[in-house]
Amino acid sequence: EAGVTQFPSHSVIEKGQTVTLRCDPISGHDNLYWYRRVMGKEIKFLLHFVKESKQDESGMPNNRFLAERTGGTYSTLKVQPAELEDSGVYFCASSQDPYYEQFFGPGTRLTVL
Amino acid sequence: RKEVEQDPGPFNVPEGATVAFNCTYSNSASQSFFWYRQDCRKEPKLLMSVYSSGNEDGRFTAQLNRASQYISLLIRDSKLSDSATYLCVVKRSGGSNYKLTFGKGTLLTVNP
Repeated sequence: EAGVTQFPSHSVIEKGQTVTLRCDPISGHDNLYWYRRVMGKEIKFLLHFVKESKQDESGMPNNRFLAERTGGTYSTLKVQPAELEDSGVYFCASSQDPYYEQFFGPGTRLTVL
Repeated sequence: RKEVEQDPGPFNVPEGATVAFNCTYSNSASQSFFWYRQDCRKEPKLLMSVYSSGNEDGRFTAQLNRASQYISLLIRDSKLSDSATYLCVVKRSGGSNYKLTFGKGTLLTVNP
């Protein structure tokens, strides 16, 4: 069974540009989560989808970040416009049920110059 | 105060050593507790859940003390392959809140 996949694996952009990250959860997992780790800090929660609905978006840092999950399958996380402090590793995770284990994808390493 | 605090490390130990990781959490509403392992430039992976009665999985033993809000992980007879960052993770479940809250992690290097 395929795990969580994320695209791209790396992205280098300039401040002010837009970047869109994609996450494909494990097939059949209704719950999808976004996390990020900025340098020197712990991994932090961004938001949680149940199917196509946002269950919890309390971790989204500001309105430059937009997450979508149309159709309840894959999800995108758009950063517009990107700032230097957005650099970090963005992880996606999925679970069959919110009480079950969350399986993480390999992450997207974002560098904003 | 951070919600989850871990030993800052890093830990460097010889093969065969016993190593202990400590973690405290601040939110008494936390209901589930885990140790994750993260290899360099890889994703976090669940190592084991932690239960109040304590639990063991081979060379790994996890303990939880809810009264003191303290979690531990003990690795016995450490192997080279145990080298990784160990992340203490807590979760509150219920309502709309199912997020994982991570500590910063403790880097372990097991030397030959």
